[in-house]
Amino acid sequence: QKEVEQNSGPLSVPEGAIASLNCTYSDRGSQSFFWYRQYSGKSPELIMSIYSNGDKEDGRFTAQLNKASQYVSLLIRDSQPSDSATYLCAGESGSARQLTFGSGTQLTVLP
Amino acid sequence: DAGVIQSPRHEVTEMGQEVTLRCKPISGHNSLFWYRQTMMRGLELLIYFNNNVPIDDSGMPEDRFSAKMPNASFSTLKIQPSEPRDSAVYFCASSLGAVNTGELFFGEGSRLTVL
Repeated sequence: QKEVEQNSGPLSVPEGAIASLNCTYSDRGSQSFFWYRQYSGKSPELIMSIYSNGDKEDGRFTAQLNKASQYVSLLIRDSQPSDSATYLCAGESGSARQLTFGSGTQLTVLP
Repeated sequence: DAGVIQSPRHEVTEMGQEVTLRCKPISGHNSLFWYRQTMMRGLELLIYFNNNVPIDDSGMPEDRFSAKMPNASFSTLKIQPSEPRDSAVYFCASSLGAVNTGELFFGEGSRLTVL
């Protein structure tokens, strides 16, 4: 079992809709979680971090963490075609608490 | 700031050849990471340095891979001999402080093709 699992998708939503991306993790000791966005042919870039149970909002993005269920999600409201990218969920794990990435979910926002 | 700088951006080589990938982290960052990304396996951590010291190299596939960080501003990842299954995009990333308290800044990647 991978330490961080994502529904690999692909996921397509119409412009203006809410896109919901999900992630589960296996290391109960993980405390920090991150969502990275990667455009095709580019490098990953951090868009959200979350450390506590509950929701964290930043503009159109909301990250949700449920440590009891070992579940992390990212909601993108009012999706735009420019949001089309692969979204990588990451959590810190291992003895050195290094960042482990999920396989990513490819999101396409249709105009 | 110029960001994380990697070279070469693209490398095409033949099986058995030595490949050296280079990385200059962001000035002042004390953690450096080498990741490999493929369609099949996603983004995998190969090795993690903190203050130029290798902390975790459990992701290095085998003895053909080696990484060094001789100083705070330079790191190399070497593959010798290279094999077709090493074809991937290799990312270098750096961070200020421990990874679980900050973000990783990725370079643009080195796309390696081994024929």
